[in-house]
Amino acid sequence: GAVVSQHPSRVICKSGTSVKIECRSLDFQATTMFWYRQFPKQSLMLMATSNEGSKATYEQGVEKDKFLINHASLTLSTLTVTSAHPEDSSFYICSASSGLAGGLQETQYFGPGTRLLVL
Amino acid sequence: SQKIEQNSEALNIQEGKTATLTCNYTNYSPAYLQWYRQDPGRGPVFLLLIRENEKEKRKERLKVTFDTTLKQSLFHITASQPADSATYLCALAQVQKVTFGTGTKLQVIP
Repeated sequence: GAVVSQHPSRVICKSGTSVKIECRSLDFQATTMFWYRQFPKQSLMLMATSNEGSKATYEQGVEKDKFLINHASLTLSTLTVTSAHPEDSSFYICSASSGLAGGLQETQYFGPGTRLLVL
Repeated sequence: SQKIEQNSEALNIQEGKTATLTCNYTNYSPAYLQWYRQDPGRGPVFLLLIRENEKEKRKERLKVTFDTTLKQSLFHITASQPADSATYLCALAQVQKVTFGTGTKLQVIP
């Protein structure tokens, strides 16, 4: 149980184009989904937290107009990198949580990640 | 400032030995702490969760301890195998937020 998928697994795009990454919880309802970015040999950097049906909460320094997040259903969240540039090249990982427990997020289940390369 | 430190950039041990990984934190009051495994080019996989009022948690060959006085968690893999080679991340959970350490790369040598 608790499987999260991401699509695509790898994407190469030209500078200036937009790229959409999908994150799906396959066997549970994810009330909260998270989007992370990871650079080589570095830890996961939280970009934003999204709850189903409401606007995402972005971390400080993350441009909300550049990284559009939609969490339209309990099993799907999307991250769109708009007007991508080479510096946006990175490994993007989503995770999903089934809910709150006493105000805290319980275990996050991660997707396999999406490698984005912007030329 | 808040900081999560995991010991060593890389840890090499002989197959069959016990691997011990450390997670130290400062200026946090986590409600619980988690350990994840991450293989190259893959998302992290959840291993264990330990709450602030728990001292120790076990799962098969894995053992986690949590000392809120020392602000430290230790992660042990007993009878290590080459298949255990991966990067291990600790993550601290506070209200509404989980923060990850930089990870320790473990290499188990046959």
